[in-house]
Amino acid sequence: RKEVEQDPGPFNVPEGATVAFNCTYSNSASQSFFWYRQDCRKEPKLLMSVYSSGNEDGRFTAQLNRASQYISLLIRDSKLSDSATYLCVDPNPGGGNKLTFGTGTQLKVEL
Amino acid sequence: DVKVTQSSRYLVKRTGEKVFLECVQDMDHENMFWYRQDPGLGLRLIYFSYDVKMKEKGDIPEGYSVSREKKERFSLILESASTNQTSMYLCASRIRTSGTDTQYFGPGTRLTVL
Repeated sequence: RKEVEQDPGPFNVPEGATVAFNCTYSNSASQSFFWYRQDCRKEPKLLMSVYSSGNEDGRFTAQLNRASQYISLLIRDSKLSDSATYLCVDPNPGGGNKLTFGTGTQLKVEL
Repeated sequence: DVKVTQSSRYLVKRTGEKVFLECVQDMDHENMFWYRQDPGLGLRLIYFSYDVKMKEKGDIPEGYSVSREKKERFSLILESASTNQTSMYLCASRIRTSGTDTQYFGPGTRLTVL
């Protein structure tokens, strides 16, 4: 099983829709995760962190389900500018300084 | 604002050439990383460094080496470039404190090996 696994998509949604995607992870000891956003031909940038208490930032909500070992990202009222690839990250999969990135989920928001 | 810069955005080299990719960060971060990103495979860690002159292999170190002589600079070296090393190379630095854990990426170098 991959350390971090994501559905590659693409998720095609109309503007204004609510969309959610999940990321499963294999390290049961992991207690926090990140969502990074990567625009086409750009570098990844931190979107938000996820802890067991969840995290909300405007239209974005991230949650961690430790029992089922997945994290989710919910985007409400999608904008065209939300179109990007969203990367799920385990910042400490086996201790140390390595991060493990998922392969990303592509979101396309359409008119 | 944290800035991570990479020496080239685009690079074209020939098979067998020695290739240097330079990365510089301006925030005194201890941890620096080199990844390559390929369609369908995502970001894969090549090497990382947690201090000057310290390095550790990532998941795909074969065919690569690194150098970290100064804290702000982390270099990736392809000793003898091969066509399967054509890829997007991303450098990153990481800050970890009690309240922060963020990895900052450079803009990437798209390397083509002919």
